[in-house]
Amino acid sequence: EAQVTQNPRYLITVTGKKLTVTCSQNMNHEYMSWYRQDPGLGLRQIYYSMNVEVTDKGDVPEGYKVSRKEKRNFPLILESPSPNQTSLYFCASSLTQYHEQYFGPGTRLTVT
Amino acid sequence: AQTVTQSQPEMSVQEAETVTLSCTYDTSESNYYLFWYKQPPSRQMILVIRQEAYKQQNATENRFSVNFQKAAKSFSLKISDSQLGDTAMYFCAFTNYGGSQGNLIFGKGTKLSVKP
Repeated sequence: EAQVTQNPRYLITVTGKKLTVTCSQNMNHEYMSWYRQDPGLGLRQIYYSMNVEVTDKGDVPEGYKVSRKEKRNFPLILESPSPNQTSLYFCASSLTQYHEQYFGPGTRLTVT
Repeated sequence: AQTVTQSQPEMSVQEAETVTLSCTYDTSESNYYLFWYKQPPSRQMILVIRQEAYKQQNATENRFSVNFQKAAKSFSLKISDSQLGDTAMYFCAFTNYGGSQGNLIFGKGTKLSVKP
């Protein structure tokens, strides 16, 4: 089944404790992206990757890191999480940025 | 800066009626892609419709159609014969074509409630 998987689905952590949210797709897509969704703000792009080893900043990259060492994986790293990073996070992949994006199920992150 | 504006935070419609969600965007580019995504209460994001700016013909997908006005930078979504399952958040999104920029920009969303 074609899908984008994210783990974990829910995470509660404390300020400053490094964490990684994994994202994997099995559709051989070139383009992958991370978004955060906050009430009243819609979806905002954090980082995107147009291919392996190619990543670029979206609208809200501060406090986040990504890497794209393999085509299928695009982990999101929070080196020192802060409460303002409490949000719902989505990973997505698509053939290119011009095609339909397939979204993961979302990760609900709470930083206390 | 490129922006996408959805001016209606919430809307409601009676089942079987027609509703139009508005979206405007700002770009200096002439070629780009526009999307409408739906997010039901399950939180899953689903593509509703996609439009290429160089195509003058408005995209349609069953009960969903768009009114694309390039000069006005407007991309509204029309839902005909609304169904209870159409209740969801709807997001308009935009990306430029070509060049090294690969970012997608989403609007803040419109929450649509379909009432029986």
